[in-house]
Amino acid sequence: KQEVTQIPAALSVPEGENLVLNCSFTDSAIYNLQWFRQDPGKGLTSLLLIQSSQREQTSGRLNASLDKSSGRSTLYIAASQPGDSATYLCGMHMEYGNKLVFGAGTILRVKS
Amino acid sequence: NAGVTQTPKFQVLKTGQSMTLQCAQDMNHEYMSWYRQDPGMGLRLIHYSVGAGITDQGEVPNGYNVSRSTTEDFPLRLLSAAPSQTSVYFCASSSQGYIEQFFGPGTRLTVL
Repeated sequence: KQEVTQIPAALSVPEGENLVLNCSFTDSAIYNLQWFRQDPGKGLTSLLLIQSSQREQTSGRLNASLDKSSGRSTLYIAASQPGDSATYLCGMHMEYGNKLVFGAGTILRVKS
Repeated sequence: NAGVTQTPKFQVLKTGQSMTLQCAQDMNHEYMSWYRQDPGMGLRLIHYSVGAGITDQGEVPNGYNVSRSTTEDFPLRLLSAAPSQTSVYFCASSSQGYIEQFFGPGTRLTVL
């Protein structure tokens, strides 16, 4: 069974800092990995999707990497802003069966 | 496009009552899924569908029923609500398996 861990569980940083959110998993048989953002009381918004054959994806100030052999993915946020405050979740499609397996998320607070 | 829509946004039930959570998408997506989100546990898959007339169980299916009579709609039925079903429920859709999923805004359910 896939186990997904996101570290840290919560993070508070001053505006302008670069930061890294971590997602580790135990089963490398993943098809792709998706990073999401969730604002309080809202649904999930897809940020980046990395296919298993890729190493990284970039969108604006966000960069996500994937290393299947070590069971890790990181989400790098450059020059953080208060508007980045949210919960960030990683979810992965497993090769067996059509389902997303999620981590519990990292709660990010960017202070102005 | 409205994307993925869910109704109601909030619901309070008494133990033993039944109800249906509605989910609809206007993107002509074949794949639809239901997840529940509980504090500290991330999202867990309840049921999913790979097309009209085809459904399958996810990780936590007990106490829930689904059917898929049209491409657009994927309702989730609680047959006899229990306090353990207090959660936030999300519906998601995608055009194919193993690719980017789009989520609805969620239904917050409380069972007393």
